[in-house]
Amino acid sequence: EVKLVESGGGLVQPGRSLKLSCAASGFSFNDYWMGWVRQAPGKGLEWIGEINQDSSTINYTPSLKEKFTISRDNAQNTLYLQMSKLGSEDTAIYYCGRLAYYGRFEYWGQGVMVTVSS
Amino acid sequence: EIVLTQSPTTMTASPGEKVTITCRASSSVSYMHWYQQKPGASPKPWIYETSKLASGVPDRFSGSGSGTSYSLTINNMEAEDAATYYCQQWNYPSITFGAGTKLELK
Repeated sequence: EVKLVESGGGLVQPGRSLKLSCAASGFSFNDYWMGWVRQAPGKGLEWIGEINQDSSTINYTPSLKEKFTISRDNAQNTLYLQMSKLGSEDTAIYYCGRLAYYGRFEYWGQGVMVTVSS
Repeated sequence: EIVLTQSPTTMTASPGEKVTITCRASSSVSYMHWYQQKPGASPKPWIYETSKLASGVPDRFSGSGSGTSYSLTINNMEAEDAATYYCQQWNYPSITFGAGTKLELK
């Protein structure tokens, strides 16, 4: 069974950094592109970015490229999202997902809440 | 970046009614994917590559479209179909989602 479990969320002060993790199991992690999506409270889905199998290609939505960094550790079957200079606009549920052909999110994690507030 | 515009934003439907949700792209895309999301839950893959149903999706759902216009249709609305539906496109290296259509039961 494919399982994706995000962790690392919580309350963080404006301007600080936070690193989220996504632990993958039930499939061969190093065979798949992985990605992150977020959802602000009461809002829609926003794609953050994606990373290929060997981390040689990482794509971001333009507005977040300077603030967020996606990485992965295939030995640990874990995907990461490093977030810096956080503001209230970054308050959201963050989901990791496994990508399939044509950019579809085939599996989603349960999400982790990040709240940016003083 | 390709912008996806979903319509309507919200709608209500009675049991047994036919429902159509539209997703229009600002430029032509090859495929459209759809997700269903209920409150407090992660999005679920629902329709992929325009017209293929994800595992477990009832066959009263269907997807169609091409170019800049795509749709999700429900034949015979059921109570369990009340949810928010999002379309999503992939135009490498960018992915975008529509703003969502909230479907409520009348």
